[in-house]
Amino acid sequence: NAGVTQTPKFQVLKTGQSMTLQCAQDMNHEYMSWYRQDPGMGLRLIHYSVGAGITDQGEVPNGYNVSRSTTEDFPLRLLSAAPSQTSVYFCASAGETQYFGPGTRLLVL
Amino acid sequence: AQKVTQAQTEISVVEKEDVTLDCVYETRDTTYYLFWYKQPPSGELVFLIRRNSFDEQNEISGRYSWNFQKSTSSFNFTITASQVVDSAVYFCALSEAQNYGQNFVFGPGTRLSVLP
Repeated sequence: NAGVTQTPKFQVLKTGQSMTLQCAQDMNHEYMSWYRQDPGMGLRLIHYSVGAGITDQGEVPNGYNVSRSTTEDFPLRLLSAAPSQTSVYFCASAGETQYFGPGTRLLVL
Repeated sequence: AQKVTQAQTEISVVEKEDVTLDCVYETRDTTYYLFWYKQPPSGELVFLIRRNSFDEQNEISGRYSWNFQKSTSSFNFTITASQVVDSAVYFCALSEAQNYGQNFVFGPGTRLSVLP
């Protein structure tokens, strides 16, 4: 039982590049979410999903896309990276409790 | 709208001191869940406790204890006899029952430094 896994752990992008942050969970949770963590701002919700095929926007969705084709996977896509997207990204899945992945540290130059 | 406030940005204590981290929340829902997470220097988010709004009993787990007071909308966290390994950022979070899992709102965090 791996819980929530995220790849990559660290990524450097140039402005305008695209990439996908991967997230997978093996707890059969319906709810999955993506957050970004910036200094002094806690965690802010980007997108969330309440089940396969269903996604919705959170507090800061601009510049990000998500899809949920399976219960296990919830990838986050950066369409055209910008320096403002430099952050630490956490994926989470929620049953009775919300569990977080180890995070992806993204640097956009 | 939901909101979580952690007024203490940073706290420093000397090892073995007791320390309380404050959390005040706002919600219009009558059923909700409160959480505390620990983020050590390594960066991962570690779940500490989940409490629902109908359970106002205080909870103790080893050196950790939580005081939930609905009357003041507070869910404070106390570490007794602090240790250096307790140094971390601690986040309080809230999720309303009707949107459970869809929107966890986090406070800005309190950075605790425990000095030897």
